[in-house]
Amino acid sequence: QLQLKESGSGLVKPSQTLSLTCGVSGGSISSGGSSWNWIRQSPGKGLEWLGYISHIGSTYYNPSLRSRVTMSLDRSKNQFSLNLTSLTAADTAVYYCAREIRTCAGGVCYKWFDPWGQGTLVTVSS
Amino acid sequence: QSVLTQPPSASGTPGQRVTFSCSGSSSNIGSYTVNWYQQLPGRAPKILIYSNNQRPSGVPARFSGSKSGTSASLAISGLRSEDEADYYCAAWEDSLNGPVFGGGTKLTVL
Repeated sequence: QLQLKESGSGLVKPSQTLSLTCGVSGGSISSGGSSWNWIRQSPGKGLEWLGYISHIGSTYYNPSLRSRVTMSLDRSKNQFSLNLTSLTAADTAVYYCAREIRTCAGGVCYKWFDPWGQGTLVTVSS
Repeated sequence: QSVLTQPPSASGTPGQRVTFSCSGSSSNIGSYTVNWYQQLPGRAPKILIYSNNQRPSGVPARFSGSKSGTSASLAISGLRSEDEADYYCAAWEDSLNGPVFGGGTKLTVL
């Protein structure tokens, strides 16, 4: 059974960089048919998708964050990472990693997030 | 302000049937399928319904989903106390080229 778990800095100062890692167990991040995503949840903005990195390392980021986000894969450790620069208080949120499952049938493709990591709270404060 | 609109709260008594609405537009729900996630208190979201009305294995048949035009609905029949949670709809959004979520509906089981 695939499991994901976030780790990284919980308290970050404004203007600094957030670094989170998502460890994957029970499966390989190099498997096709999935992408590896970051999603955050804050009281003010609800659930917000940040972007993904595919099993071959291609990335796509939410345009609202594109200038500040970088995602990467570490196949040797079976994990993927998120870096978010120039932090402000608005970046305070619970950050989740999640696998996006993609399946196609009859020419139509369906995608959903499963599983999610447990989430990690990141607070931006001096 | 979420792209998909959900009522902030709903309630029901055990055994009742409750429904949740999710309203979008032609650039999201109107063109793509809808997923529903359940978030129990203090937990991460969990997939409940995908592709409008499909239940992953392990999700009880009490949960059902539907879509019509630019709106979608989630129904829970035979309500139980353990269903008390936040429920989020999600759909692909053209302008984002990625998924967007509703603001969530908090279900209280009275």
